[in-house]
Amino acid sequence: GAVVSQHPSWVICKSGTSVKIECRSLDFQATTMFWYRQFPKQSLMLMATSNEGSKATYEQGVEKDKFLINHASLTLSTLTVTSAHPEDSSFYICSARDGTGRVTEAFFGQGTRLTVV
Amino acid sequence: QKEVEQDPGPLSVPEGAIVSLNCTYSNSAFQYFMWYRQYSRKGPELLMYTYSSGNKEDGRFTAQVDKSSKYISLFIRDSQPSDSATYLCAMGEGGGGNKLTFGTGTQLKVEL
Repeated sequence: GAVVSQHPSWVICKSGTSVKIECRSLDFQATTMFWYRQFPKQSLMLMATSNEGSKATYEQGVEKDKFLINHASLTLSTLTVTSAHPEDSSFYICSARDGTGRVTEAFFGQGTRLTVV
Repeated sequence: QKEVEQDPGPLSVPEGAIVSLNCTYSNSAFQYFMWYRQYSRKGPELLMYTYSSGNKEDGRFTAQVDKSSKYISLFIRDSQPSDSATYLCAMGEGGGGNKLTFGTGTQLKVEL
């Protein structure tokens, strides 16, 4: 299957700082990328959907000014957690699909574990 | 009430056993159903998906959907230690919508 690479795999940051997470599609053009958050023993929760060249669509309850998403190219989307706080500590996962793919053909990155201290 | 309910486990079985993993849901609008496998500290990997009620088989895996009961299952035959992982069910509405609703995942351990 297609490869989606997420970087970094884990990051520790101080409270109040910002962290950028990258999601790259390595062998296909990702017209749509999805960002999820997963707390321990809880479901993956969709945070936002981004289409290349457009503003991201955020799910209800997700602060768009805190979680900045940029999808400037067909192979790269970034999620920036601004002014991170300990409650933002979570597992962040992206998935990506090409323009012809159904949602069932969205491939996931390996995830980024963020710890805010 | 959550839209998708899944027993978190953990579920421990001996090698070679048949494993049954289940999810129930409340949203009648869900039209497609998926099962993902997630190893520790990794992203989910799609195992199977189906759009209709009934059974779908792929190797040792069988996905079963009963829309009338709002109940889906994943069966794993001849389970192997390498099947040890967390299994997530996910569902989506029709009409080309993007949003998937996930269960919490069931942690499975297959022991030698």
